[in-house]
Amino acid sequence: QVQLVQSGSELKKPGASVKVSCKASGYTFTTYAMNWVRQAPGQGLEWMGWINTNTGNPTYAQGFTGRFVFSLDTSVSTAYLQISSLKAEDTAVYYCARLAPEEYFDYWGQGTLVTVSS
Amino acid sequence: DIQMTQSPSSLSASVGDRVTITCRPSQGISNYLAWYQQRPGKVPKLLIYAASTLHSGVPSRFSGSGSGTDFTLTISSLQPEDVATYYCQKYNSAPFTFGPGTKVDIK
Repeated sequence: QVQLVQSGSELKKPGASVKVSCKASGYTFTTYAMNWVRQAPGQGLEWMGWINTNTGNPTYAQGFTGRFVFSLDTSVSTAYLQISSLKAEDTAVYYCARLAPEEYFDYWGQGTLVTVSS
Repeated sequence: DIQMTQSPSSLSASVGDRVTITCRPSQGISNYLAWYQQRPGKVPKLLIYAASTLHSGVPSRFSGSGSGTDFTLTISSLQPEDVATYYCQKYNSAPFTFGPGTKVDIK
């Protein structure tokens, strides 16, 4: 069965970096693109962008350029989200979500809480 | 970019009630609309795609309709386990924007 398993919660200081992983299993990793979605505390879902798992080409949504980097390690079927120069407003749960062929999000990771606090 | 609105932002209904949530993109998106359910403290789950197609395992009390700029999610008989926030999402092209959500609880 399809599973997306994300890395555990992180507590970081402002200015630091964090790398969140999303390990896929139960399907051929390079067949489906991977999305990243942010949910700030008490807020809605915000699409951050996606990465083509076949070519490695990322696409970033407005507001997620510069400090946010999507990457892959296809040898271990894992997608990564790296955020640099962390700010308090980056505190959120970050989800990976598989892009179905028809381009809705059919499977989601369990979410990774990133807390940025001094 | 296309903006997504949902109404109402929240609602309270009794068990067994029919509940309707509306989603309106600022431009037409054909039927490229999905609905997700997020129970409190849980991961979002796909309910409906292509505006009206139920995802595998989703109870038949959920249904979706609409096209273009006017979409509806209906719960035919509200159950306690349906307490959640419901989000619509456009996927005709990037950005894959979500609506602001509709919070549903039991009266």
